[in-house]
Amino acid sequence: KAGVTQTPRYLIKTRGQQVTLSCSPISGHRSVSWYQQTPGQGLQFLFEYFSETQRNKGNFPGRFSGRQFSNSRSEMNVSTLELGDSALYLCASSPGGVDQPQHFGDGTRLSIL
Amino acid sequence: QKEVEQDPGPLSVPEGAIVSLNCTYSNSAFQYFMWYRQYSRKGPELLMYTYSSGNKEDGRFTAQVDKSSKYISLFIRDSQPSDSATYLCAMSVPNFNKFYFGSGTKLNVKP
Repeated sequence: KAGVTQTPRYLIKTRGQQVTLSCSPISGHRSVSWYQQTPGQGLQFLFEYFSETQRNKGNFPGRFSGRQFSNSRSEMNVSTLELGDSALYLCASSPGGVDQPQHFGDGTRLSIL
Repeated sequence: QKEVEQDPGPLSVPEGAIVSLNCTYSNSAFQYFMWYRQYSRKGPELLMYTYSSGNKEDGRFTAQVDKSSKYISLFIRDSQPSDSATYLCAMSVPNFNKFYFGSGTKLNVKP
């Protein structure tokens, strides 16, 4: 079974631009969560989508948004990029019910110049 | 105060040693506890998943939960250089599907 796939693996942007990251969950998984990982803050929860609806949300500004498609694939968008947005963005999927462990992709490394 | 605290290390041990990794937490509602291993330039990989208190063993790995002390542990027996990675604990409240992670402990197993 293929794992969680994230594209692209690496991305370089400049301040003020916007970016879209993509995540394909494990086949059959309906829940997709996004996290930001930085050396100082560790893994921080952005949001979770289930059946195309945002089910949970973390404490990030509105510049961070996401969506999920009918095939469970998800995208995350960050607008008006700031230097502090440089991080590893991780996507995790789970079958869909609550209380099920998440499986992570290898992330997208975003660098802001 | 963070909801989940984890010593960042690094922790350096010789090959074959028993490793103990720990996390403490403040939210008594946490019922699900997980350990992930993350190699450099890779995403976290699920190692152990436990519910409530008690022990769970899987090969060289044992996860232990002490809810009365709000303390969880991961033990690695006969540690190998390939175990060198960052270990993350995570936990969640039932029915909320929102996970809280520790900052990770970096482990180095020396040959």
